[in-house]
Amino acid sequence: NAGVMQNPRHLVRRRGQEARLRCSPMKGHSHVYWYRQLPEEGLKFMVYLQKENIIDESGMPKERFSAEFPKEGPSILRIQQVVRGDSAAYFCASSPYEQASGANVLTFGAGSRLTVL
Amino acid sequence: DQQVKQNSPSLSVQEGRISILNCDYTNSMFDYFLWYKKYPAEGPTFLISISSIKDKNEDGRFTVFLNKSAKHLSLHIVPSQPGDSAVYFCAASISGNTGKLIFGQGTTLQVKP
Repeated sequence: NAGVMQNPRHLVRRRGQEARLRCSPMKGHSHVYWYRQLPEEGLKFMVYLQKENIIDESGMPKERFSAEFPKEGPSILRIQQVVRGDSAAYFCASSPYEQASGANVLTFGAGSRLTVL
Repeated sequence: DQQVKQNSPSLSVQEGRISILNCDYTNSMFDYFLWYKKYPAEGPTFLISISSIKDKNEDGRFTVFLNKSAKHLSLHIVPSQPGDSAVYFCAASISGNTGKLIFGQGTTLQVKP
């Protein structure tokens, strides 16, 4: 069980370029969450997806950011026309969350660190 | 609107002593609380959770206490070990919602040998 896999671990982009971050959830997990951690801050919720569906995108910036979780393949967080303020660590988490049960324990990946020059 | 707050950015404790990390929340709808530990360049890892219907949950050296009336919870680590040095995040969620966790800013714990 390889856990939650994220790649790339480090990504450097120049302003205006696109960044694509990938996340493969743990085996058996069908719920994916993306979080962003800015320097010296906590983790901020961005988006929650199930296969082929965006369930909650209340934390996503209104422009330039999008996410998908296709039927086949990893979840993708896409940032278009990156700016310096997008420099952060982006964490993906997965869970087998069933709403009727108790605490939703998310398992996190190691993160993708985006640096915008 | 910071619904979960960890007001102490850092804490330093001697090995063998107790570490107490604090967390406050504002949303009375939260019914589950979790603590995560994070080492540099790694993702957060789950430590312990507590339901809002309980006031204490214990797992080995880790105990979480919940005071609903004060909207406050704390994580106790006894005895503290140098390997416990990490950033600790408090998180909260609402059942029947999307399951997303709302995190505090984190507290950096340093356990000195």
